Amino acid sequence: DIQMTQSPSSVSASVGDRVTITCRASQHISRWLAWYQKKPGRAPRLLVFASSSLQTGVPSRFSGSGSGTDFTLTIGGLLPEDSATYYCQQANNFPWTFGQGTKVEIK
Amino acid sequence: EVQLVESGGGLVQPGGSLTLSCVGSGFSFSSFWMSWVRQAPGKGLEWVANMKKDGSEEYYADSVKGRFTISRDNARNSLYLEMNSLRAEDTAIYYCARESAGNWGPDYYYFMDVWGKGTAVTVSS
Repeated sequence: DIQMTQSPSSVSASVGDRVTITCRASQHISRWLAWYQKKPGRAPRLLVFASSSLQTGVPSRFSGSGSGTDFTLTIGGLLPEDSATYYCQQANNFPWTFGQGTKVEIK
Repeated sequence: EVQLVESGGGLVQPGGSLTLSCVGSGFSFSSFWMSWVRQAPGKGLEWVANMKKDGSEEYYADSVKGRFTISRDNARNSLYLEMNSLRAEDTAIYYCARESAGNWGPDYYYFMDVWGKGTAVTVSS
């Protein structure tokens, strides 16, 4: 199975800050990576698919990049509503696997 | 409105069984792969299983292989997860998700773009 490793595990930042989350795959996954936002009591929300394609309705302050084994999710200009846990997920090989999550908190 | 609604969760004893259901509406259910994803208390997201549009292929996480069975009834726009030999570590919120597809040249890729609100499963004596 492909292992997905996110860093950092948590980050605390101020409103307006730029936040970058990284995700590393244990083997090459081309561009087949998605990012999700998860808030307590809510369903996961797709933010980015195919590494860098923004899902419809997602604010443009979210962006994704990367290919192969290394990927990033950037929040450019943090807002209070961005407080959540973010997960990467590979869709190159079954079984699909998620990273362990990165908790983003607002200072 | 595109929607997924899960049901069937509850409290079950270790070693017991439970079947979850998910009904889709607002889209052509039979045109999409469908997945189950879970989140245990205080833990991250874990993909559980998925099934091809016509039910001809299914895949499972190692943690549930041999115990859980995914199925679908496209005439009823429904997805199911039959869970047997349940363990305490299966306690989680179970989400149903639609897998959409795109293509990049000759390659197809998938992503989970529509999610239900989840149904809670508790395995405890």
